Amino acid sequence: KAGVTQTPRYLIKTRGQQVTLSCSPISGHRSVSWYQQTPGQGLQFLFEYFSETQRNKGNFPGRFSGRQFSNSRSEMNVSTLELGDSALYLCASSPSYSYGYTFGSGTRLTVV
Amino acid sequence: AQKVTQAQTEISVVEKEDVTLDCVYETRDTTYYLFWYKQPPSGELVFLIRRNSFDEQNEISGRYSWNFQKSTSSFNFTITASQVVDSAVYFCALRWGDTGRRALTFGSGTRLQVQP
Repeated sequence: KAGVTQTPRYLIKTRGQQVTLSCSPISGHRSVSWYQQTPGQGLQFLFEYFSETQRNKGNFPGRFSGRQFSNSRSEMNVSTLELGDSALYLCASSPSYSYGYTFGSGTRLTVV
Repeated sequence: AQKVTQAQTEISVVEKEDVTLDCVYETRDTTYYLFWYKQPPSGELVFLIRRNSFDEQNEISGRYSWNFQKSTSSFNFTITASQVVDSAVYFCALRWGDTGRRALTFGSGTRLQVQP
């Protein structure tokens, strides 16, 4: 059974650019969540999607957005990149509320 | 507000020693879930255990065991006879509230170094 797949694994962008990260959940999992991990702030929740609807959003500026497609795949977009957006972005999927989350290997974004 | 505290920033032990990682949580909800994840250098968060707030039974899985105590709001994790492969950052996390709120609140993590 394939795990959670995140692409790309590494990304280098210039300040002011925008970036799109992709996440393919485990087959059958309808919930997809995104987290940002930085040395200073640790692991912080970005948003969660379930059946193409955003169910929950963390405390991040509007530059961070996401969406989920009908096949449960999800994308996350960050516009007008800032140096502070450099982080490991982790995607997680879950079959339902009562289950745990399975995380992908993450996308490491570096903004220069 | 929900909060998870992992007071131990870094622990170093010698192989075969037992080690306990502490986790203290805060929530006003009566229904919540607690998790432990392991993050090796590769970066992926590996799920170790989930416990709901109504189940205070301790659990043992091989060399791993977990002690959940609602009275002290703690969910501690013990590795028995540690091995070098256990070296990683370990995170405790809390998911709280109803089905509409599914975010995980993570602790700051404990880096475990097991020396050969």
